[in-house]
Amino acid sequence: EMQLVESGGGLVQPGGSLRLSCGASGSTFNSYAMSWVRQAPGKGLEWVSTLSGSGNTYYADSVKGRFTISRDNSKNTLYLQMNSLRAEDTAIYYCAKDPRPYYDAWGYFDFWGQGTPVTVSS
Amino acid sequence: QSVLTQPPSASGTPGQRVTISCSGSTSNIGSNFVYWYQHLPGTAPKLLISMNNQRPSGVPDRFSGSKSGTSASLAISGLRSEDEADYYCAAWDDRLSGRVFGGGTKLTVL
Repeated sequence: EMQLVESGGGLVQPGGSLRLSCGASGSTFNSYAMSWVRQAPGKGLEWVSTLSGSGNTYYADSVKGRFTISRDNSKNTLYLQMNSLRAEDTAIYYCAKDPRPYYDAWGYFDFWGQGTPVTVSS
Repeated sequence: QSVLTQPPSASGTPGQRVTISCSGSTSNIGSNFVYWYQHLPGTAPKLLISMNNQRPSGVPDRFSGSKSGTSASLAISGLRSEDEADYYCAAWDDRLSGRVFGGGTKLTVL
């Protein structure tokens, strides 16, 4: 069973940048697709981005061109570089794991972290 | 506005059976598996039901999922106080080529 721990959240001004990290333990990290999912205050869950086991990246339209997902397999760590942040990016950001290396209709999130909060405000 | 539609709230008393609905379309629920997640605010969301009706190891059999056409349901029988949480349905959407969630249902155990 994999454990996921997010870090790097905080308060940032509009237009600023932040890099989130997700440390994984308990399983072979690079065998799975890894994702970021967020929850804005008072809202539901929203998929943000996925990095497949082969390195393909996928982004929600709302963050495309501003966010970059990456991983360091040697450190068992997933990252989310967030640039040009907007107030609507304010949310708790969760790291989530797939049981397979692909991002497709057969996948789902089988393990999640506890999230790291991001607040975009002046 | 979420792609999948859930009632914002549901409630029941201990021991009761509660169902939570999730409505979609032919491009998501109608042609793909449905998943259910349980989320207590401040904690990690937990996979409750996979592939419409499969319970992962450790999930009590009080929880069950079903799907018919473009709708799905989560049923919780023998309701307990610890079931008080937010519940989300999710599915792949062929038109969006991505995973979509419902808006979530807050379950209150009275």
